[in-house]
Amino acid sequence: GNSVTQMEGPVTLSEEAFLTINCTYTATGYPSLFWYVQYPGEGLQLLLKATKADDKGSNKGFEATYRKETTSFHLEKGSVQVSDSAVYFCARNSGNTPLVFGKGTRLSVIA
Amino acid sequence: DAGVIQSPRHEVTEMGQEVTLRCKPISGHNSLFWYRQTMMRGLELLIYFNNNVPIDDSGMPEDRFSAKMPNASFSTLKIQPSEPRDSAVYFCASSRSGGDTGELFFGEGSRLTVL
Repeated sequence: GNSVTQMEGPVTLSEEAFLTINCTYTATGYPSLFWYVQYPGEGLQLLLKATKADDKGSNKGFEATYRKETTSFHLEKGSVQVSDSAVYFCARNSGNTPLVFGKGTRLSVIA
Repeated sequence: DAGVIQSPRHEVTEMGQEVTLRCKPISGHNSLFWYRQTMMRGLELLIYFNNNVPIDDSGMPEDRFSAKMPNASFSTLKIQPSEPRDSAVYFCASSRSGGDTGELFFGEGSRLTVL
């Protein structure tokens, strides 16, 4: 089936630290992969996406590379800020099916 | 442009009462999704509509839940009767074309507490 597994949080980092949030997906078909972010009290919003193998999505200093060989789409940022504190969701879809989300990873960045 | 608008933002009710959550999608979007978010189960898709027609309601927990989309600019999610385990944040999202591009636009959510 279609599923997404991401690392459990919470993740707590100091400002300017390096961030990695792991995400793996089941390899049914050729999915597109996404990272969504949910800031406190808000709905989810698209952060970045990649639609085929070896594509790299990037936005706001975040990056993720679609790795078909490891069925992964890990989210990275070189230097996090307090304003990056949020819940991050990995997601996939395939064809016309709606998005399937991971359970989310809460990130807290402390000054 | 206005985003997805949900109401109410917060609702506290007693077990057994009827709850109606409302959603106005972004104008021009033809797909609408209802999600439920809890700590235990994360984000679950309840039902989605394409062009006002329900496509997949397999995520609706049980008969107490129902959803309608009478026109392109309005949808409701109803719980009758409500139970404490229904307490969650309910999100509505819309997209331009069935969500297959992956870009869903979410509302701010309706936080439901059933006592």
